[in-house]
Amino acid sequence: SQQGEEDPQALSIQEGENATMNCSYKTSINNLQWYRQNSGRGLVHLILIRSNEREKHSGRLRVTLDTSKKSSSLLITASRAADTASYFCATDRSGGTSYGKLTFGQGTILTVHP
Amino acid sequence: GAGVSQSPSNKVTEKGKDVELRCDPISGHTALYWYRQSLGQGLEFLIYFQGNSAPDKSGLPSDRFSAERTGGSVSTLTIQRTQQEDSAVYLCASSLVVQLYGYTFGSGTRLTVV
Repeated sequence: SQQGEEDPQALSIQEGENATMNCSYKTSINNLQWYRQNSGRGLVHLILIRSNEREKHSGRLRVTLDTSKKSSSLLITASRAADTASYFCATDRSGGTSYGKLTFGQGTILTVHP
Repeated sequence: GAGVSQSPSNKVTEKGKDVELRCDPISGHTALYWYRQSLGQGLEFLIYFQGNSAPDKSGLPSDRFSAERTGGSVSTLTIQRTQQEDSAVYLCASSLVVQLYGYTFGSGTRLTVV
């Protein structure tokens, strides 16, 4: 079953605008992570937020987590053309037998126009 | 090495042939994961190795798929009697502590079965 689902599936904005992507999940988690993928190859880890955290910042990235709603958002401020990529949320489920196994969503395709 | 290395980067094979995909994780990373990603889709978990524990093979789609990790380092994913639906990008990731640092991904192997 799909654990993480991103919304929207695609987002197109102008350089300088903010981009917000959302992720919903279904089970209890230890942490939630966001990754970026360029050109359909390897993913790059962006930020990790633990289940007892509500907000986290890293440079132009801001992540929020609402465990009561089982949702997270990724905000990229002052976007640049180089931010064009696919963005995935991934959840580390609590309990279960595979400690540390991440479940990925379908991703949001972000296009930033110069 | 400095990153996760995967080889080959591209592989075209005929239907029915066997293929081997290699992953060389970051030195010292005890956890190693294989995922695959079909065109425009999210990541599908295949198998997970953690130290000397028995691997989590719950994501392998059929008995044509197998993987091993020798000496706690290099891993090989083998697909026997390849089918066209096996065409995808196969991604390997390693981690020291997923809950702190997330995954480091390789650049993937793009497998095309013709």
